[in-house]
Amino acid sequence: SQTIHQWPATLVQPVGSPLSLECTVEGTSNPNLYWYRQAAGRGLQLLFYSVGIGQISSEVPQNLSASRPQDRQFILSSKKLLLSDSGFYLCAWSFRARGNQPQHFGDGTRLSIL
Amino acid sequence: EDQVTQSPEALRLQEGESSSLNCSYTVSGLRGLFWYRQDPGKGPEFLFTLYSAGEEKEKERLKATLTKKESFLHITAPKPEDSATYLCAVKRSGNQFYFGTGTSLTVIP
Repeated sequence: SQTIHQWPATLVQPVGSPLSLECTVEGTSNPNLYWYRQAAGRGLQLLFYSVGIGQISSEVPQNLSASRPQDRQFILSSKKLLLSDSGFYLCAWSFRARGNQPQHFGDGTRLSIL
Repeated sequence: EDQVTQSPEALRLQEGESSSLNCSYTVSGLRGLFWYRQDPGKGPEFLFTLYSAGEEKEKERLKATLTKKESFLHITAPKPEDSATYLCAVKRSGNQFYFGTGTSLTVIP
């Protein structure tokens, strides 16, 4: 079976500090990978998605970047965090080869910027 | 513009009081509609996929249905452990999913 790991679970960072959130998937190959941000009372905002190593699509202009150095590893980064980067960040995967399959989510990272 | 709207935003039910949650969508070329359950501080947990109008899926006290413009999540005789936020998402061609803002369900013992 497939599993997705996301860490850390919570993170408190000062404004202007760098960020690195990591997500890995086990039990499948060539997944589609996604980063979302979820604000309180709002839906999931797609930040980035990737269909393969080194292939990143960005959905909104922002202070964040994403990388996919390995097939099942997806990293969300920032060089200098802003207060507005606070939120709940979710990583998800879906089968690439099986068409219209659902996404499966990690347990998220609660990021607080001070 | 592709849009997914869920109603109501919040719902309080007595234990055993059945009800329905609504997800309406305006997406051309629907490739799938997905229901998720999200507990506080956790990621969404996949429940159901519906692909075509008239399709139904069931799991324990939950039943999801799909028409050409909306989907319903019916909850029969809910229990307190059914309390959570329920999200729906739609997918059209491509790799993107569009999520609603969810319905927060509270089941009171």
